[in-house]
Amino acid sequence: GAVVSQHPSRVICKSGTSVKIECRSLDFQATTMFWYRQFPKQSLMLMATSNEGSKATYEQGVEKDKFLINHASLTLSTLTVTSAHPEDSSFYICSARRPGAWELFFGEGSRLTVL
Amino acid sequence: GENVEQHPSTLSVQEGDSAVIKCTYSDSASNYFPWYKQELGKGPQLIIDIRSNVGEKKDQRIAVTLNKTAKHFSLHITETQPEDSAVYFCAASIMNTDKLIFGTGTRLQVFP
Repeated sequence: GAVVSQHPSRVICKSGTSVKIECRSLDFQATTMFWYRQFPKQSLMLMATSNEGSKATYEQGVEKDKFLINHASLTLSTLTVTSAHPEDSSFYICSARRPGAWELFFGEGSRLTVL
Repeated sequence: GENVEQHPSTLSVQEGDSAVIKCTYSDSASNYFPWYKQELGKGPQLIIDIRSNVGEKKDQRIAVTLNKTAKHFSLHITETQPEDSAVYFCAASIMNTDKLIFGTGTRLQVFP
Protein backbone atom coordinates (compact mmCIF):
# COMPACT_ATOMS: atom_id res chain seq x y z
CA GLY A 1 0.00 0.00 0.00
CA ALA A 2 0.91 3.66 -0.14
CA VAL A 3 3.69 4.82 2.10
CA VAL A 4 3.48 8.54 1.36
CA SER A 5 0.25 10.40 0.70
CA GLN A 6 -0.36 13.80 -0.86
CA HIS A 7 -3.36 16.07 -0.91
CA PRO A 8 -4.87 17.51 -3.00
CA SER A 9 -4.17 15.53 -6.13
CA ARG A 10 -5.37 18.37 -8.32
CA VAL A 11 -5.86 22.05 -7.63
CA ILE A 12 -6.82 24.94 -9.85
CA CYS A 13 -6.38 28.47 -8.59
CA LYS A 14 -6.42 32.01 -9.81
CA SER A 15 -3.24 33.96 -10.36
CA GLY A 16 -2.14 35.76 -7.22
CA THR A 17 -3.62 33.31 -4.75
CA SER A 18 -1.74 30.86 -2.53
CA VAL A 19 -2.07 27.10 -2.57
CA LYS A 20 -1.09 24.58 0.11
CA ILE A 21 -0.15 20.98 -0.62
CA GLU A 22 0.14 18.41 2.15
CA CYS A 23 2.46 15.42 2.31
CA ARG A 24 2.07 12.71 4.92
CA SER A 25 4.12 9.67 5.80
CA LEU A 26 1.50 7.04 6.55
CA ASP A 27 3.05 4.52 8.90
CA PHE A 28 6.40 5.96 9.90
CA GLN A 29 7.92 9.14 11.19
CA ALA A 30 9.93 11.13 8.68
CA THR A 31 12.34 13.72 9.99
CA THR A 32 13.14 14.61 6.40
CA MET A 33 10.87 14.89 3.39
CA PHE A 34 11.71 16.04 -0.11
CA TRP A 35 9.70 18.19 -2.49
CA TYR A 36 10.10 17.76 -6.23
CA ARG A 37 8.68 19.57 -9.20
CA GLN A 38 8.04 18.00 -12.58
CA PHE A 39 7.10 19.78 -15.79
CA PRO A 40 5.35 17.84 -18.57
CA LYS A 41 7.56 15.20 -20.15
CA GLN A 42 10.50 16.19 -18.00
CA SER A 43 12.40 14.70 -15.11
CA LEU A 44 11.97 15.30 -11.41
CA MET A 45 13.77 18.34 -10.07
CA LEU A 46 14.45 18.57 -6.35
CA MET A 47 13.13 21.82 -4.96
CA ALA A 48 13.86 21.56 -1.26
CA THR A 49 14.46 19.31 1.70
CA SER A 50 11.91 19.63 4.46
CA ASN A 51 13.37 19.17 7.94
CA GLU A 52 11.14 18.51 10.93
CA GLY A 53 11.50 21.23 13.52
CA SER A 54 13.85 23.40 11.48
CA LYS A 55 13.99 25.42 8.31
CA ALA A 56 13.82 23.77 4.95
CA THR A 57 16.91 23.76 2.76
CA TYR A 58 16.29 24.90 -0.78
CA GLU A 59 18.06 23.92 -3.96
CA GLN A 60 19.81 26.57 -5.98
CA GLY A 61 17.40 28.69 -7.96
CA VAL A 62 14.32 27.87 -5.87
CA GLU A 63 12.77 30.89 -4.20
CA LYS A 64 12.17 30.14 -0.55
CA ASP A 65 9.67 32.99 -0.18
CA LYS A 66 7.73 31.67 -3.14
CA PHE A 67 7.64 28.05 -2.01
CA LEU A 68 7.06 27.96 1.72
CA ILE A 69 7.74 24.64 3.40
CA ASN A 70 6.61 23.73 6.88
CA HIS A 71 7.46 20.41 8.50
CA ALA A 72 5.51 20.82 11.70
CA SER A 73 5.29 17.19 12.72
CA LEU A 74 7.10 13.94 12.04
CA THR A 75 4.42 12.81 9.61
CA LEU A 76 3.43 16.01 7.83
CA SER A 77 5.15 18.46 5.54
CA THR A 78 3.36 21.21 3.65
CA LEU A 79 4.34 23.16 0.57
CA THR A 80 2.65 26.51 0.02
CA VAL A 81 2.97 28.16 -3.36
CA THR A 82 2.51 31.82 -2.60
CA SER A 83 1.13 34.39 -5.03
CA ALA A 84 0.88 31.74 -7.68
CA HIS A 85 1.37 32.60 -11.33
CA PRO A 86 0.70 30.54 -14.46
CA GLU A 87 4.39 29.60 -14.69
CA ASP A 88 4.04 27.86 -11.31
CA SER A 89 1.68 25.37 -12.92
CA SER A 90 3.36 22.02 -12.53
CA PHE A 91 3.25 18.58 -10.93
CA TYR A 92 4.54 18.74 -7.36
CA ILE A 93 5.60 15.50 -5.69
CA CYS A 94 6.82 14.82 -2.19
CA SER A 95 8.88 11.90 -0.97
CA ALA A 96 10.16 10.37 2.24
CA ARG A 97 12.20 7.47 3.61
CA ARG A 98 11.58 5.19 6.53
CA PRO A 99 14.18 5.83 9.25
CA GLY A 100 17.44 4.11 8.45
CA ALA A 101 16.27 2.91 5.02
CA TRP A 102 17.64 3.65 1.58
CA GLU A 103 14.39 3.48 -0.33
CA LEU A 104 12.75 6.79 -1.20
CA PHE A 105 8.99 6.62 -1.63
CA PHE A 106 6.94 9.19 -3.49
CA GLY A 107 3.46 10.50 -2.98
CA GLU A 108 0.85 10.47 -5.70
CA GLY A 109 1.69 14.01 -6.77
CA SER A 110 -0.34 17.21 -6.88
CA ARG A 111 -1.09 18.87 -10.18
CA LEU A 112 -1.32 22.63 -9.81
CA THR A 113 -2.92 24.72 -12.53
CA VAL A 114 -2.78 28.49 -12.13
CA LEU A 115 -5.19 30.40 -14.33
CA GLY B 1 28.08 18.16 -9.20
CA GLU B 2 26.50 14.80 -9.85
CA ASN B 3 25.00 14.25 -13.27
CA VAL B 4 22.93 11.31 -14.47
CA GLU B 5 22.38 10.59 -18.14
CA GLN B 6 19.72 8.18 -19.33
CA HIS B 7 19.20 6.49 -22.71
CA PRO B 8 17.16 5.98 -24.74
CA SER B 9 14.55 8.69 -24.27
CA THR B 10 11.91 6.51 -25.94
CA LEU B 11 11.77 2.77 -26.43
CA SER B 12 9.17 0.74 -28.26
CA VAL B 13 9.09 -3.04 -28.02
CA GLN B 14 6.77 -5.85 -28.93
CA GLU B 15 5.04 -7.67 -26.11
CA GLY B 16 7.25 -10.50 -24.90
CA ASP B 17 10.49 -8.85 -25.97
CA SER B 18 13.09 -7.50 -23.56
CA ALA B 19 13.73 -3.83 -22.84
CA VAL B 20 16.98 -2.32 -21.61
CA ILE B 21 17.45 1.20 -20.29
CA LYS B 22 20.90 2.54 -19.48
CA CYS B 23 22.15 5.27 -17.17
CA THR B 24 25.55 6.73 -16.50
CA TYR B 25 26.53 8.81 -13.51
CA SER B 26 29.43 11.14 -12.87
CA ASP B 27 30.14 10.94 -9.13
CA SER B 28 32.17 7.87 -8.26
CA ALA B 29 31.07 8.26 -4.63
CA SER B 30 27.43 7.53 -5.49
CA ASN B 31 26.43 4.30 -3.78
CA TYR B 32 22.70 3.86 -4.26
CA PHE B 33 20.86 3.51 -7.57
CA PRO B 34 17.08 3.14 -7.66
CA TRP B 35 14.77 2.81 -10.62
CA TYR B 36 11.28 4.28 -10.72
CA LYS B 37 8.25 3.67 -12.91
CA GLN B 38 5.91 6.58 -13.44
CA GLU B 39 2.50 6.18 -15.00
CA LEU B 40 0.64 9.13 -16.44
CA GLY B 41 -0.55 11.55 -13.78
CA LYS B 42 0.91 9.55 -10.89
CA GLY B 43 3.91 9.76 -8.63
CA PRO B 44 7.01 7.63 -9.34
CA GLN B 45 6.93 4.10 -7.98
CA LEU B 46 10.11 2.39 -6.83
CA ILE B 47 10.50 -0.84 -8.77
CA ILE B 48 14.03 -1.97 -7.98
CA ASP B 49 17.24 -0.59 -6.55
CA ILE B 50 20.86 -1.59 -6.16
CA ARG B 51 23.62 -0.58 -3.84
CA SER B 52 27.23 -0.19 -4.81
CA ASN B 53 28.39 -3.36 -3.09
CA VAL B 54 26.31 -5.48 -5.47
CA GLY B 55 26.75 -6.00 -9.21
CA GLU B 56 23.32 -7.33 -10.10
CA LYS B 57 19.89 -7.69 -8.55
CA LYS B 58 16.83 -9.41 -9.91
CA ASP B 59 13.16 -9.35 -9.01
CA GLN B 60 11.02 -11.55 -11.24
CA ARG B 61 11.03 -9.94 -14.71
CA ILE B 62 13.08 -6.95 -13.64
CA ALA B 63 16.82 -6.81 -13.11
CA VAL B 64 19.37 -4.11 -12.55
CA THR B 65 23.10 -4.32 -13.23
CA LEU B 66 25.77 -1.98 -11.95
CA ASN B 67 29.27 -1.40 -13.29
CA LYS B 68 31.02 0.84 -10.80
CA THR B 69 34.21 1.05 -12.80
CA ALA B 70 32.41 2.38 -15.83
CA LYS B 71 29.89 4.28 -13.70
CA HIS B 72 26.86 2.95 -15.42
CA PHE B 73 23.83 0.90 -14.46
CA SER B 74 21.04 -0.63 -16.47
CA LEU B 75 17.44 -1.76 -16.07
CA HIS B 76 16.43 -4.95 -17.80
CA ILE B 77 12.79 -5.93 -18.25
CA THR B 78 12.14 -9.35 -19.73
CA GLU B 79 8.93 -10.72 -21.21
CA THR B 80 7.49 -7.24 -21.46
CA GLN B 81 3.76 -6.72 -21.12
CA PRO B 82 1.56 -3.79 -22.19
CA GLU B 83 1.18 -2.79 -18.55
CA ASP B 84 4.93 -2.19 -18.44
CA SER B 85 4.31 0.87 -20.64
CA ALA B 86 5.28 3.94 -18.61
CA VAL B 87 8.11 6.39 -18.08
CA TYR B 88 11.10 4.95 -16.25
CA PHE B 89 13.59 7.05 -14.31
CA CYS B 90 16.96 6.05 -12.95
CA ALA B 91 18.52 7.91 -10.05
CA ALA B 92 21.79 8.08 -8.17
CA SER B 93 22.59 9.14 -4.65
CA ILE B 94 24.55 12.32 -4.05
CA MET B 95 27.62 11.90 -1.88
CA ASN B 96 27.24 12.85 1.78
CA THR B 97 23.58 13.69 1.39
CA ASP B 98 20.36 11.74 1.41
CA LYS B 99 19.33 13.27 -1.90
CA LEU B 100 18.84 11.61 -5.26
CA ILE B 101 19.48 13.01 -8.69
CA PHE B 102 17.29 11.68 -11.47
CA GLY B 103 17.92 10.79 -15.07
CA THR B 104 15.90 12.35 -17.86
CA GLY B 105 13.50 9.43 -18.19
CA THR B 106 12.68 6.78 -20.79
CA ARG B 107 9.22 6.43 -22.23
CA LEU B 108 8.65 2.70 -22.76
CA GLN B 109 5.84 1.52 -25.00
CA VAL B 110 5.01 -2.15 -25.19
CA PHE B 111 2.81 -3.04 -28.14
CA PRO B 112 0.51 -6.06 -27.92
